[in-house]
Amino acid sequence: KAGVTQTPRYLIKTRGQQVTLSCSPISGHRSVSWYQQTPGQGLQFLFEYFSETQRNKGNFPGRFSGRQFSNSRSEMNVSTLELGDSALYLCASSARGWLEGGTTQGDTQYFGPGTRLTVL
Amino acid sequence: SQQGEEDPQALSIQEGENATMNCSYKTSINNLQWYRQNSGRGLVHLILIRSNEREKHSGRLRVTLDTSKKSSSLLITASRAADTASYFCATGIKAAGNKLTFGGGTRVLVKP
Repeated sequence: KAGVTQTPRYLIKTRGQQVTLSCSPISGHRSVSWYQQTPGQGLQFLFEYFSETQRNKGNFPGRFSGRQFSNSRSEMNVSTLELGDSALYLCASSARGWLEGGTTQGDTQYFGPGTRLTVL
Repeated sequence: SQQGEEDPQALSIQEGENATMNCSYKTSINNLQWYRQNSGRGLVHLILIRSNEREKHSGRLRVTLDTSKKSSSLLITASRAADTASYFCATGIKAAGNKLTFGGGTRVLVKP
């Protein structure tokens, strides 16, 4: 199976602009999560989508939003970009959620290569 | 805030030696996953260990989990230059769905 893909791989924007990042999960996976990685804060959870519904959200301002489509592909959007939004944005997919049949202790999360966002 | 703290923050070893890194966490968990990251690229999944498991192996990797001490360790045996990377532990709890909480990572340098 093809792995998790993210587009674009690199992006340069200026302050105040908005950006949309895309993530295609592994075929058959229904859960997509997004993470931000910065040198100062490390890896931080942004949100998780499952079957087009946001199920969990991290501690980020409302400028960060996302959605998931019926084919499980997900997008995240950052509006009014700030310099501090420069980061590596990673998405992860997993086959099932906690409530799905069979698993009571979570599933492996598979990560994509990330989108490197630079805000000038 | 980060759930896990990894120790050491950096590790330098010779090829062929073993590398051990530790991860401690604060709250009860349902699973713990270890990942490798090369030079700011994507995370590669290594091993998932569930809270009712104590040890798992995968090739040259051995992971242990001690829930009473809220800690885990990752051992890489017979290290290779290609093992040079950052290694992260990440914890999952049922109440948080598929959210993972990451530690700060251990940077491993394997010298040829």
